[in-house]
Amino acid sequence: EVQLVESGGGLVQPGGSLRLSCAASGFTFSRYWMHWVRQAPGKGLVWVSLINSDGSSTRYADSVKGRFTISRDSAKDTLYLQMNSLRAEDTAVYYCARDSVGGILVYWGQGTLVTVSS
Amino acid sequence: QTVVTQEPSLTVSPGGTVTLTCASSTGAVSSGYYPNWFQQKPGQAPRALIYSTNNKHSWTPARFSGSLLGGKAALTLSGVQPEDEAEYYCLLYYGGANWVFGGGTKVTVL
Repeated sequence: EVQLVESGGGLVQPGGSLRLSCAASGFTFSRYWMHWVRQAPGKGLVWVSLINSDGSSTRYADSVKGRFTISRDSAKDTLYLQMNSLRAEDTAVYYCARDSVGGILVYWGQGTLVTVSS
Repeated sequence: QTVVTQEPSLTVSPGGTVTLTCASSTGAVSSGYYPNWFQQKPGQAPRALIYSTNNKHSWTPARFSGSLLGGKAALTLSGVQPEDEAEYYCLLYYGGANWVFGGGTKVTVL
């Protein structure tokens, strides 16, 4: 069974940093592209970033480009999102998600809440 | 900035049919946008329903179908069940591995 478990969320001050993790199990992690998607409280889904299967290629939404870095460690079956220079508008539940041969964002974790506030 | 537009809300009676649409600010949506549809219920993570316009995942109920309709991507729910009450999001591909969600449609079964 595919499982994705996010962690690392919490309260951080504006301008601060946080690193999210997504522990993967139930599949061969190194074979799949992975994504981060966020959802501000009461708002819609926003695609944030993706990384290809071997980590050699990454993409970011314009709203986080230059501040967030996605990475992966296949030895630990873990996806990361390093978030720097955080702003109030980055407050959201952050989900990790996995692609499949048959589509994008097929499997999702339960999310981790990041709150940026002083 | 690219904007993907969905109906904010729709109401349907149990057993009825409802069609949700997904429009792009760049023009007509085609299969090259690889439209995806997701369902999200309160307090839950999203669940993938449809990929590449009209392909279902193994867990997608038969009453859900995807299509292109009048220059938009569309999700049709036929024979709506009470458990279909949820928020539905479309997702479009804009090249360069960039994806954009629509704002979501809240479907109420009443």
